[in-house]
Parts: sequence; structure tokens; C-alpha cells
Amino acid sequence: ETGVTQTPRHLVMGMTNKKSLKCEQHLGHNAMYWYKQSAKKPLELMFVYSLEERVENNSVPSRFSPECPNSSHLFLHLHTLQPEDSALYLCASSRNRDRSYEQYFGPGTRLTVT
Amino acid sequence: AQSVAQPEDQVNVAEGNPLTVKCTYSVSGNPYLFWYVQYPNRGLQFLLKYITGDNLVKGSYGFEAEFNKSQTSFHLKKPSALVSDSALYFCAVRPDSGGYNKLIFGAGTRLAVHP
Repeated sequence: ETGVTQTPRHLVMGMTNKKSLKCEQHLGHNAMYWYKQSAKKPLELMFVYSLEERVENNSVPSRFSPECPNSSHLFLHLHTLQPEDSALYLCASSRNRDRSYEQYFGPGTRLTVT
Repeated sequence: AQSVAQPEDQVNVAEGNPLTVKCTYSVSGNPYLFWYVQYPNRGLQFLLKYITGDNLVKGSYGFEAEFNKSQTSFHLKKPSALVSDSALYFCAVRPDSGGYNKLIFGAGTRLAVHP
């Protein structure tokens, strides 16, 4: 266990559904990240939050909407997704924004859009 | 453009033999370098990092990596492979610019250790 949990672990949703992914870290970190992992592609950084402020939105479509209510929790709200959005969504956290600190990852949510 | 390359999609090693997983990078300034491992149905686990100092860094599970600035490489090594080392390995670099902890990942190398 890395101290980062994600729920649900698996999610199947239709293109018209609305769902949310949840991430929680128990490490006392104050930076959190969403990544998308697709088969045979490098990890794609989607969003970065530092001290609950969004500091990066990496050209992600608006059908993905992040929320960081406090330094321990991060959500990814999903609506009207496309089949190509099917992927493993990974949450990570780090001690702070400093680049020397490693990121700790959760187990991911396997999302399938039908 | 800043990037990380892992030239091998898969590396096959016999148990007990040494292993090397290759990584090269292209970034400006002085990079911070990381290795992560991903087991099936799991997230990425941190293995080791190079920040500064000794070019040979040691990490978890007996892994080590050597930073080579002239060759812009950061290869992952282990003297004696175990079957349980079979997993997907990612090299990542944190460039020397930008105001936050943004990692650039390679595409990953699948390590298969055979009994």
C-alpha cells in the first residue's frame, strides 16, 4: 500500500452517464495529480493541484472536471465521455510542489466507456 | 522537446542473471530522474531517484540505477533477477524548469524474468 486509495477500482459507464472518481491520500501531502494511462502510450498528466489550487490543466477536454476540496481528497467528475476515454486513471500525491519529491500513486480506476 | 525514451518494449532475462532496463532523456538543465514499477492491476510504485551527488543510486528491492550525464542516460540495473521482478518499468524525468513537480514518463518497458 502506498497510502493513496482510489475508488471505484473498476467503472463501466455509458456515454451519457455522469460519474465521479475519488482519490484520497493518507500521507500528509499537499500536491495531488490525475494521470491517464492508455495501452502502449506514456502516462499523460491531466491535472495538478497544489495546496488545493489547480496549477495545471494539460489540455484536457471539458468532459473531465477535477475537484480538490482539501489536500487529502481529489475527485475527477466525468460526463458525456467517449469510448477513447477508456483507460486506467491514476491518482498520485507528493509532499509538495518541489521537484525533488517522488510521487506516490494509487492503484487506479479502470474505466470502460461503452 | 523534452522527452524520455525507453528503447525496449520488453526485456527478457533468466532468473539469477543481471538485468538492465534502459532509459535516455532529453531535457534542458539538470534533470531529476526517477524509476517506477507497475505490477498488474496496481498503480506505480517508486523505486529510486537521482537528484544530485553520486551517479549510482540504490533503491528498493535491490535495484540500482546509474546516471550518465554525457550519455543522458539513467539505466536501471539489478545484479540478480527474480521471477517476482517481472513487471512494467517506467523511467521519468522532472525537468529543471517549471514551478511544480511535473514528471515526464517514458512509454514503459516490460520485464519478463523466466525461471
